[in-house]
Amino acid sequence: AAGVIQSPRHLIKEKRETATLKCYPIPRHDTVYWYQQGPGQDPQFLISFYEKMQSDKGSIPDRFSAQQFSDYHSELNMSSLELGDSALYFCASSLGVHTGGEETQYFGPGTRLLVL
Amino acid sequence: AQKVTQAQTEISVVEKEDVTLDCVYETRDTTYYLFWYKQPPSGELVFLIRRNSFDEQNEISGRYSWNFQKSTSSFNFTITASQVVDSAVYFCALSEAANQAGTALIFGKGTTLSVSS
Repeated sequence: AAGVIQSPRHLIKEKRETATLKCYPIPRHDTVYWYQQGPGQDPQFLISFYEKMQSDKGSIPDRFSAQQFSDYHSELNMSSLELGDSALYFCASSLGVHTGGEETQYFGPGTRLLVL
Repeated sequence: AQKVTQAQTEISVVEKEDVTLDCVYETRDTTYYLFWYKQPPSGELVFLIRRNSFDEQNEISGRYSWNFQKSTSSFNFTITASQVVDSAVYFCALSEAANQAGTALIFGKGTTLSVSS
C-alpha cells in the first residue's frame, strides 16, 4: 500500500539558511500534519491542514511556515535556521472523519535535518 | 489539560518473556482517541492501534494485546513472547476533539524496549 512520502530524507544546512521539506500524503488523504522530534524526545506537533486550510497549530516557531496545495501535498518552510532546529521532521496524513475516515495518522519516514 | 504519561522509560527483557507497557492519560473531553506507535531504530513511526473512547473492548492482534480502562484512564500494551525485532521505542498518544479534522496527537515520552536473545 502507498505510504506517506517525504523529501528530502536527509538535509544539512548552515545556520541562518532556509530549508523546505515536502510531504506527499497517502492517496485520498485530505489532512496532513507536521511534527518535530528532537533526539531522545517524543514528537511535537507543529501544524496541520485539512482540505488546504490550516486546521490546528502547535508549537511552530514564527520562522516556520507551511501550506497544503491543491494536490494535497504539503511543504514546511523553515527560515533563519538555528542549531536547535536539528531534528527529525515527520509528516503524517489521515482521511478526515468528515470524509468518512477515522483520523488515524500515518507517518512518513521523516526528514532528518542537521543545522551546522 | 491533556497529557499522556508513560512512566517506564526503559524496559529490558529476554526473548520469549511477556512485557507490558503502561500508558496513563488525562483529558477533559468525553470523546477522544488513543493510539500506540512503534519507532524502531530505523526511525520511522509505525501505527499499531487506535482506540475510540467509547470502545473499551480489549483487543488482540497476534502477540500484541491492549487493555483500555476508562476507570483508571489507562491504555496498556502487552507483548506476549517478545522477540528481538520488538526492540523499539513505543509511544502512546492521545487525540482530543475526535470529530474535528487535523487534531494534534499528544505523545507520551515513550518507553524504550530492549529484547535480548
